[in-house]
Amino acid sequence: QSALTQPASVSGSPGQTIAISCSGASSDIVDYKYVSWYQQHSGKAPKLVIYGVNNRPSGVSVRFSGSRSGDTASLIISGLQPEDEADYYCISYTGSRTWVFGGGTKLTVL
Amino acid sequence: QVYLVESGGGVVQPGTSLRLSCATSGFSFRTYGMHWVRQAPGKGLEWVATVGFNGDNMWYGDSVQGRFTISRDTSQNTLYLQMNNLRAEDTAIYYCARDFTGQWTIDYWGQGTLVTVS
Repeated sequence: QSALTQPASVSGSPGQTIAISCSGASSDIVDYKYVSWYQQHSGKAPKLVIYGVNNRPSGVSVRFSGSRSGDTASLIISGLQPEDEADYYCISYTGSRTWVFGGGTKLTVL
Repeated sequence: QVYLVESGGGVVQPGTSLRLSCATSGFSFRTYGMHWVRQAPGKGLEWVATVGFNGDNMWYGDSVQGRFTISRDTSQNTLYLQMNNLRAEDTAIYYCARDFTGQWTIDYWGQGTLVTVS
């Protein structure tokens, strides 16, 4: 159960669009439809922002979307806003009722 | 409104035991799988354990297998994590979380309880 690979940090200016990637071995991401993304502000609990590659829970801004290309899933945040500054984690179901997280990406809004 | 409230954290010595609790409300506890996820200070998230909706099936991460036990009490709408033979590397915030049925992920999280092994 090794962690999925995410960039340690990403930055962007307000209004810009950024993408955070998530990749792993085929044994970790058995199907990309099982990849989800969480937002975690400092000192707070994680919040689900994308599930099933590109589905948004109720109440999550339409500025958040997900995609998959080859062996990489991505979280895309458009129209970057100061409140988007947080840590972001991907997670994947690996099969046999086990899950693995990515190492996390710190998003800085410049 | 889904509520998940963890308790039972604290400072313990290596080799000892601790039991965490997670009181739930706002949803039908008996119909959902539940998870524990932890986060070491300044580090990322780590999946710890999962229990099925009926409590008959449990699954564990490699780092806690054989030492931790996840369980649930449907009559009390409460999730538990029994942690034995604690190690320094178990120091973390422990989050209780609800399984997102059919989506193979987690939807709601509690605020966490801190366990320090020192």
